[in-house]
Amino acid sequence: ELKVEQNPLFLSMQEGKNYTIYCNYSTTSDRLYWYRQDPGKSLESLFVLLSNGAVKQEGRLMASLDTKARLSTLHITAAVHDLSATYFCAVDWSFGNEKLTFGTGTRLTIIP
Amino acid sequence: DAGITQSPRHKVTETGTPVTLRCHQTENHRYMYWYRQDPGHGLRLIHYSYGVKDTDKGEVSDGYSVSRSKTEDFLLTLESATSSQTSVYFCAVKGSPSPDTQYFGPGTRLTVL
Repeated sequence: ELKVEQNPLFLSMQEGKNYTIYCNYSTTSDRLYWYRQDPGKSLESLFVLLSNGAVKQEGRLMASLDTKARLSTLHITAAVHDLSATYFCAVDWSFGNEKLTFGTGTRLTIIP
Repeated sequence: DAGITQSPRHKVTETGTPVTLRCHQTENHRYMYWYRQDPGHGLRLIHYSYGVKDTDKGEVSDGYSVSRSKTEDFLLTLESATSSQTSVYFCAVKGSPSPDTQYFGPGTRLTVL
């Protein structure tokens, strides 16, 4: 059974600080996704990481994938309040058939 | 929003009644998915479809069935709803703008009393 673990589950940080969310998974995969969800809303796609060593950046967010370590990170640089949300990673364990297993999410709160 | 709508958006029903949720897409996506979201579990795949009349089970398929008779519609049916099926249900499609990404609909909040 594939397990996808995120940590921390809850994160409260001050504006302007940097922090990293970790996503560990238990089986071989080279496809990993990051999503954002605001309260009461749907999921918004942030990044798709499709190979070992992949790095994607958008604004203050940067995601990376290390398939050998079975680890992805989502790094937040100089946090701003608008980044407050829940962040999910998801792993495709079906080798491109897009059967995703999600982590339980990291609820991020940015404090002014 | 990848042209996805879900109906109804909210529903309250009683234990033992059948319930059907509809996912409708307008962009001719081949792959469609149903997930449920519960606190502490993230999202879990219920069923998915890779074409008209082609469906397969996900990790939490017990108590659910699906049908896809047209490309644009993917139906999720709870044959006899139970309180454990109280959840938020999301439909997703795989496709544009990025072909490698799943895009999610607005969700349906289902309460089973």
